[in-house]
Amino acid sequence: EVQLVESGGGLVQPGGSLRLSCAASGFTFSSYDMHWVRQATGKGLEWVSAIGTAGDTYYPGSVKGRFTISRENAKNSLYLQMNSLRAGDTAVYYCARGWEIDYWGQGTLVTVSS
Amino acid sequence: QSALTQPASVSGSPGQSITISCTGTSSDVGGYNYVSWYQQHPGKAPKLMIYEVSNRPSGVSNRFSGSKSGNTASLTISGLQAEDEADYYCSSYTSSSTWVFGGGTKLTVL
Repeated sequence: EVQLVESGGGLVQPGGSLRLSCAASGFTFSSYDMHWVRQATGKGLEWVSAIGTAGDTYYPGSVKGRFTISRENAKNSLYLQMNSLRAGDTAVYYCARGWEIDYWGQGTLVTVSS
Repeated sequence: QSALTQPASVSGSPGQSITISCTGTSSDVGGYNYVSWYQQHPGKAPKLMIYEVSNRPSGVSNRFSGSKSGNTASLTISGLQAEDEADYYCSSYTSSSTWVFGGGTKLTVL
């Protein structure tokens, strides 16, 4: 069974940093692209970043230069380093699998507030 | 990259069919057959319902179908059931090597 479990969310002040983790199981992690997608309360889904199997990374303009996605295949883990956080980054952050974004974790809440 | 355009809400009675549209540009929906649809119930993670425009993952009811014409993709749900009431999102790969989601559509089963 595919499982994705996010952790690392919490309350952080504007301008601060946070590192999210995603533990994957039930599939060959190294063979899949992986994504982070976020959702502010009551709002729609917003794609945040992706990393390919070769470690190539992709970001939308809204987070480019502030967020860094990475992976550690030996630990079946995905990460999102978030710097210079803003109130607008407040959301549930989901880890998701594959080019088709076919499986999602349950999400971890990030709150940016003073 | 702007979000794909979806209607804010649609509704239908049990047994009826509804269609949700997802409009983008030639740089996303119109340029690639990498359009997906997701169902999200309140407080839950999204669930993949359609991928690559019209393919259903294993376990998804054949009442759900997808199509595309030009820059607009569509999700059709036939034989509406109460449990279909949820938010639905489309997504597409883009020419910038990024992904973009639609704003979401709230489906109400009357």
